Amino acid sequence: SAVISQKPSRDICQRGTSLTIQCQVDSQVTMMFWYRQQPGQSLTLIATANQGSEATYESGFVIDKFPISRPNLTFSTLTVSNLSPEDSSIYLCSVGSRSPWSYEQYFGPGTRLTVT
Amino acid sequence: GQQLNQSPQSMFIQEGEDVSMNCTSSSIFNTWLWYKQDPGEGPVLLIALYKAGELTSNGRLTAQFGITRKDSFLNISASIPSDVGIYFCAGRLGAGGTSYGKLTFGQGTILTVHP
Repeated sequence: SAVISQKPSRDICQRGTSLTIQCQVDSQVTMMFWYRQQPGQSLTLIATANQGSEATYESGFVIDKFPISRPNLTFSTLTVSNLSPEDSSIYLCSVGSRSPWSYEQYFGPGTRLTVT
Repeated sequence: GQQLNQSPQSMFIQEGEDVSMNCTSSSIFNTWLWYKQDPGEGPVLLIALYKAGELTSNGRLTAQFGITRKDSFLNISASIPSDVGIYFCAGRLGAGGTSYGKLTFGQGTILTVHP
């Protein structure tokens, strides 16, 4: 399984500012995703980070609010822009590993964001 | 969008007891994954299932891929205090279409184990 690290592990930000979260994987991966987990809730997919092209966003998530970069196969960033208290969540980076017979998906430790 | 119904929402059990939880869907999945999340951590993959009827074990954990491909079950035998956490099921749709490769998560089952 891939080893995934995220920075920062947590942050407290003021309303109206932005936070950029970094995700580093210890091996090259094709499939990389960003999820949001609101307090006490399940995981919701924000977008698929595509290397060399624009991210693919899920319904309800837009590029202006959640810009994503994927400069290579081991690294991605998620920015949460124009923060409001409703953005307080855990943001998780995830990578998928696929073969003709299997699929597994692994998660980083998450970034806990609190917006004041 | 796709929805998974996971039950129960929470369980309070005594150490040594067995635990069962399940997920059902209105859609057919070709992969079921089960995760455990500890407080302050990301979800950790426990078991992956790929075929209808498949039964797979990982230590004291056993999971099954339902025959209809619309459900999955996770059993934990002889629970211990470190089993405490939130367990999530996740389903992945079949090939083709815009949903290929994406996971849909259940709401989670909060497990509490009393010593």
